[in-house]
Amino acid sequence: AQRVTQPEKLLSVFKGAPVELKCNYSYSGSPELFWYVQYSRQRLQLLLRHISRESIKGFTADLNKGETSFHLKKPFAQEEDSAMYYCALSGISNYQLIWGAGTKLIIKP
Amino acid sequence: NAGVTQTPKFRVLKTGQSMTLLCAQDMNHEYMYWYRQDPGMGLRLIHYSVGEGTTAKGEVPDGYNVSRLKKQNFLLGLESAAPSQTSVYFCASSFAGNNEQFFGPGTRLTVL
Repeated sequence: AQRVTQPEKLLSVFKGAPVELKCNYSYSGSPELFWYVQYSRQRLQLLLRHISRESIKGFTADLNKGETSFHLKKPFAQEEDSAMYYCALSGISNYQLIWGAGTKLIIKP
Repeated sequence: NAGVTQTPKFRVLKTGQSMTLLCAQDMNHEYMYWYRQDPGMGLRLIHYSVGEGTTAKGEVPDGYNVSRLKKQNFLLGLESAAPSQTSVYFCASSFAGNNEQFFGPGTRLTVL
């Protein structure tokens, strides 16, 4: 079965500290993975996808097929990073994304 | 371009009432989706469409119906609303199934 697990519902770190939001997936093939972000009072939007290998707003995510993980990292958190983050997987059907439950990130000043 | 728009933004229904949520996109996307977002449960797919005239069930389709008569519009209907359908509903569209999804602003629905 295809599944995405985000083990932390809430993550709170101080400004300037490193951030890692965890995402683990269950999928037997070659997945495409995404991170979406929802800032307060804004729409859900794509942050990054693994195939683009980009760094967006200082965030990076590396696909680890051995550990079936796609953790989102940022070396120095900023207050504007406070948001809800969702990990998503595009699997077999290619018709839809499988979503994690989301992690609420709070950056404390 | 407006992107993905949803109407209404808010609605309060009584149990048993019906309503239709409208989603419109101006990006010529083939794929459209309806999700519900509940605390602690993330996004759950209700129904989706891979093109005009086609619809398919998602993870939580019971109690909802959809129609895609025009490529740019995707309607979500509740025939007999129940309190369990109190949620925030998001519409999204994408060029293809594994492409970036673009989301609407959401509709907050309360069923009393």
